[in-house]
Amino acid sequence: ELKVEQNPLFLSMQEGKNYTIYCNYSTTSDRLYWYRQDPGKSLESLFVLLSNGAVKQEGRLMASLDTKARLSTLHITAAVHDLSATYFCAVDLKTSGSRLTFGEGTQLTVNP
Amino acid sequence: NAGVTQTPKFQVLKTGQSMTLQCAQDMNHEYMSWYRQDPGMGLRLIHYSVGAGITDQGEVPNGYNVSRSTTEDFPLRLLSAAPSQTSVYFCASSGIRDRALGYGYTFGSGTRLTVV
Repeated sequence: ELKVEQNPLFLSMQEGKNYTIYCNYSTTSDRLYWYRQDPGKSLESLFVLLSNGAVKQEGRLMASLDTKARLSTLHITAAVHDLSATYFCAVDLKTSGSRLTFGEGTQLTVNP
Repeated sequence: NAGVTQTPKFQVLKTGQSMTLQCAQDMNHEYMSWYRQDPGMGLRLIHYSVGAGITDQGEVPNGYNVSRSTTEDFPLRLLSAAPSQTSVYFCASSGIRDRALGYGYTFGSGTRLTVV
């Protein structure tokens, strides 16, 4: 059974600070996804990480993937209030593109 | 390009009632799936489909039925609603070609269901 664990589950940050969200998964996975969700909204795709060592950056967010350690990180640089949201990582299996297994989500609050 | 369209957006049901949540995509994606989102538990897979006529169970299938008669549509049926099915439901799709290009899943806007 594929399991995905995120930590921390809750994160309160000050604007301007840096922090990292961690995502561990239990079996070999083809690819890893990061999503953002605002309250009452759907999921917005942030990154798709396709291979070991993959690194992607968009604005103040940078995601990386280490398939050997079964670990992905989402690094936040110089946080701003607009980044407040819930962030999910998810994986799907190499043999299937039809279904995702999600982590519990990290609720991020950026305080002025 | 509408992407993934879910209807209705909100629904209140009485215990024991049945209903169908609709999901349609216009991207010619082969794969479609249903998830439910409960507080503190992330999203959990209910049912999924790899193509028209082919469906399978996910992590939490009990109380739900699906069918996939066309590539575009993947309705989720609640046979006899229970308060435990109060949740937010998301439909998602992805395609073989999109995966090869490095794209991910497209999610619908969700259906917020309350069973009283």
